[in-house]
Amino acid sequence: ILNVEQSPQSLHVQEGDSTNFTCSFPSSNFYALHWYRWETAKSPEALFVMTLNGDEKKKGRISATLNTKEGYSYLYIKGSQPEDSATYLCAPNAGGTSYGKLTFGQGTILTVHP
Amino acid sequence: DAGVIQSPRHEVTEMGQEVTLRCKPISGHDYLFWYRQTMMRGLELLIYFNNNVPIDDSGMPEDRFSAKMPNASFSTLKIQPSEPRDSAVYFCASSPDRGTEAFFGQGTRLTVV
Repeated sequence: ILNVEQSPQSLHVQEGDSTNFTCSFPSSNFYALHWYRWETAKSPEALFVMTLNGDEKKKGRISATLNTKEGYSYLYIKGSQPEDSATYLCAPNAGGTSYGKLTFGQGTILTVHP
Repeated sequence: DAGVIQSPRHEVTEMGQEVTLRCKPISGHDYLFWYRQTMMRGLELLIYFNNNVPIDDSGMPEDRFSAKMPNASFSTLKIQPSEPRDSAVYFCASSPDRGTEAFFGQGTRLTVV
C-alpha cells in the first residue's frame, strides 16, 4: 500500500497571501510525483510531474519542489487569487510491482477569500 | 483528440440492477485508470491497465465490481448487482506512459436508489 499524506487538509487564505502545502510519500521505490488541481464540479488537471530529487517546477504563480530521499514535496502559491480556490492533490508513481500505479492523497482544499 | 470520454455522465439505477460505465481513453495512451470519488476516501484507485492488461485491481471493493479493456480504445467498469453504497462519481483517466501526466474524463455520477 502506498501511503500518501497531504497537509493541511484545508486552508483558508486572503487574496494576495502566499501559501504552501505538503505531500509526504514513501521514499523507497519512488518513480515520479504528480500534482493536480481539482476545481469543484470539474475533473482533476495536472500541474506538474517531477522525477528528480531536488527538482523544482514552476507554472505562473505556482511552483513545486521535490525531495525523493526524505519523501516529500511542497506546492507553493504566490499571491493567491480567488480563482486558485480548488483541491490540490498529489500522487506518487511507484516502481517495482506497483509499476505505473497512480495513487492520490486526500488533497488540500484551498479557499482564497477576496 | 477529444480527451478521455466517459459515458454516461449521469446514471440513476435501482438497487440490484447491473450498471456499466464506459471509457474511451486518449488515442496512443498506454495506461488507463478507474477511480471512485467519495467523501470518505477522496479519489480512490479501483484498477489500472497497461496496454489493455489489468495490472492492479486491489482497489476493487468487491466481487460485484469488474473491469475490462477489450482493446486500446475502450474500457468498461461493471457493477452487478449495484447497491446504494456504490453511489459516487467514477472517473476514468489515461496517460501516455508511466510517470507522465494523466488526463481525466468528466466522470460518471452514479446514484443507486
